[in-house]
Amino acid sequence: DAGVIQSPRHEVTEMGQEVTLRCKPISGHNSLFWYRQTMMRGLELLIYFNNNVPIDDSGMPEDRFSAKMPNASFSTLKIQPSEPRDSAVYFCASSATSGGVTGELFFGEGSRLTVL
Amino acid sequence: AQKVTQAQTEISVVEKEDVTLDCVYETRDTTYYLFWYKQPPSGELVFLIRRNSFDEQNEISGRYSWNFQKSTSSFNFTITASQVVDSAVYFCALSDGRGGADGLTFGKGTHLIIQP
Repeated sequence: DAGVIQSPRHEVTEMGQEVTLRCKPISGHNSLFWYRQTMMRGLELLIYFNNNVPIDDSGMPEDRFSAKMPNASFSTLKIQPSEPRDSAVYFCASSATSGGVTGELFFGEGSRLTVL
Repeated sequence: AQKVTQAQTEISVVEKEDVTLDCVYETRDTTYYLFWYKQPPSGELVFLIRRNSFDEQNEISGRYSWNFQKSTSSFNFTITASQVVDSAVYFCALSDGRGGADGLTFGKGTHLIIQP
C-alpha cells in the first residue's frame, strides 16, 4: 500500500518566492496534519484537517502560511512570500479515525525547504 | 498545556549494550495517548508504539520494551542488545484523549548513536 506521498522532496528557492508543498494522504484516512521540523524548535504542528476541514491552524506561524485540502486525497501548504527562517523539513501525516479514536499518524518522507 | 520532555539530547553506546531513552510528559487530560517514533538518518518518521493512559502494562516487542508509569508521568523506551541499525533520533509524543485527532505534541528527541 502506498504511504503518505509528499512533493517535492527538496526545494531550494530565493527569499520572496512562493513555495507550494504537496501531500497525498493514505487512502481512507480522514485526518491530515502538517508539521515543521527545525533544529531549534523540533517538530511543531502547523495545522490539521479532519474530513477536509481545517480544525486547528493555531500553529501556522503567520499569514504568509496557508494550507488547503480541496479533497480527501490532496493537500497543499503554501508559503508566500518565503523567508530564510522558513527553511525546515515539512512533514505531512495522515491518520484514520475509528469510533472517535484516531490511530497513529503515518508520516510522509518530508519536504526539505531551503530559502536563500 | 501538554508538554513532553526528553532530557537526553544525545546518547552514545557501543553495540550490544542496553540503552534506555527517557520521556516525561505533562497533561491535564485523564485520557491521553503516548507514542514513540523513530527517525533514521533517511529522515522519515516511523511509528513504534502507541499506549493509552489506562493501560500501564509494560510492552515488549523483540529487543524493544516500554515502561509506562503514570505515577511519575514517564514512558521510557529500552533497547536491549543495541545494534548499529538502531542509530536514529527517537521522539516521544503525547496526544489528548482522542488519540491524536489534534495532532501530537513531540519531545525534542534523543539522538541515539550505536557505535560498532
